[in-house]
Amino acid sequence: GQNIDQPTEMTATEGAIVQINCTYQTSGFNGLFWYQQHAGEAPTFLSYNVLDGLEEKGRFSSFLSRSKGYSYLLLKELQMKDSASYLCAVRDSGAGTALIFGKGTTLSVSS
Amino acid sequence: KAGVTQTPRYLIKTRGQQVTLSCSPISGHRSVSWYQQTPGQGLQFLFEYFSETQRNKGNFPGRFSGRQFSNSRSEMNVSTLELGDSALYLCASSPEGRNEQYFGPGTRLTVT
Repeated sequence: GQNIDQPTEMTATEGAIVQINCTYQTSGFNGLFWYQQHAGEAPTFLSYNVLDGLEEKGRFSSFLSRSKGYSYLLLKELQMKDSASYLCAVRDSGAGTALIFGKGTTLSVSS
Repeated sequence: KAGVTQTPRYLIKTRGQQVTLSCSPISGHRSVSWYQQTPGQGLQFLFEYFSETQRNKGNFPGRFSGRQFSNSRSEMNVSTLELGDSALYLCASSPEGRNEQYFGPGTRLTVT
């Protein structure tokens, strides 16, 4: 089966760095995604990792270790607008193109 | 390019009724996936359509069905609504050969 775990809530202050962890178990890993979802809005795509290592995209970076079933999303120079839910999702090769989502991490950024 | 659009945005139905939700993907995207989002279960995959064919299906009862038209627009239908079907229904489209999915704003369904 598939299982994705991420912390329910995190808090941080403006300008800081925060790391949101995600661990997963799948029968056939075929990619990991991070999405951002502001309250009442649609999820927006942040990053995609399929090979081990770090992918950097501006203030956001995502890391993957397939052997450990582990990923993290790193947010630098936090801004108030980064307050949102961050969703980790994996694609299982046995499930076609479906994304299996974790329940999300709600990040609150304060000044 | 316009994003994924979904109609209606909000819907209130009574238990036992049926409902049809509509999704128009980003122009040129042929893959459309549907997800249900609830506070308790998070985002759960319903099904995916590509070129008018259901390519993948999640673990939902047969009351949930969908279809895709030749212009890639998709509809999902839920029959015999139950209170537990109250949720945000999200549609996502993908460009061919790419992995990311782009989500629409969702339809908020409330079943009373």
